[in-house]
Amino acid sequence: SQQGEEDPQALSIQEGENATMNCSYKTSINNLQWYRQNSGRGLVHLILIRSNEREKHSGRLRVTLDTSKKSSSLLITASRAADTASYFCATDARGFGNEKLTFGTGTRLTIIP
Amino acid sequence: DVKVTQSSRYLVKRTGEKVFLECVQDMDHENMFWYRQDPGLGLRLIYFSYDVKMKEKGDIPEGYSVSREKKERFSLILESASTNQTSMYLCASSLSMGGVTEAFFGQGTRLTVV
Repeated sequence: SQQGEEDPQALSIQEGENATMNCSYKTSINNLQWYRQNSGRGLVHLILIRSNEREKHSGRLRVTLDTSKKSSSLLITASRAADTASYFCATDARGFGNEKLTFGTGTRLTIIP
Repeated sequence: DVKVTQSSRYLVKRTGEKVFLECVQDMDHENMFWYRQDPGLGLRLIYFSYDVKMKEKGDIPEGYSVSREKKERFSLILESASTNQTSMYLCASSLSMGGVTEAFFGQGTRLTVV
């Protein structure tokens, strides 16, 4: 079963606006990660936040993590056309033997120039 | 730069054939993963391996097997290909340090079973 579920499934915004995507998961985790996928390509790692962290920044990216609600959000500020892609959250479930990395269904982000 | 290389970008196979998808990483990562990606379903984990000769089932292992004889290579095997295995297959590798760390992905293999 999918560990992570992203919301919304699709998002279209004007260039320069901020984009927010949310992720919910089901079990205890060691960390949560966000990835980007350009059409038809492999995934690229964006940012990792550990279970004992609440917020993390990397350039125009801001990630928050609320372990009590089992949810995370990814904020992309001042969006650019090049940010058009699919975004996935991924979690490694704690306490399930060896860790596996499980992905959600993704959010398709379109930046309108 | 970390590199994860999948043997084929595109592959067309016939129903019933045995299919091998190869993945090689050059960063001495312990963990390796095979996913399939279908529209609307995201990435689903087929199998993963945390060490040489070690493997664990993911969420959708039926119809697949894997082999990891060397640390750098992780093979996905479709024992008898079926049309419902037409998909994009993605391989990834990562270190294991208090959890799965950043995963590096190959470019993907788009498999069509006819």
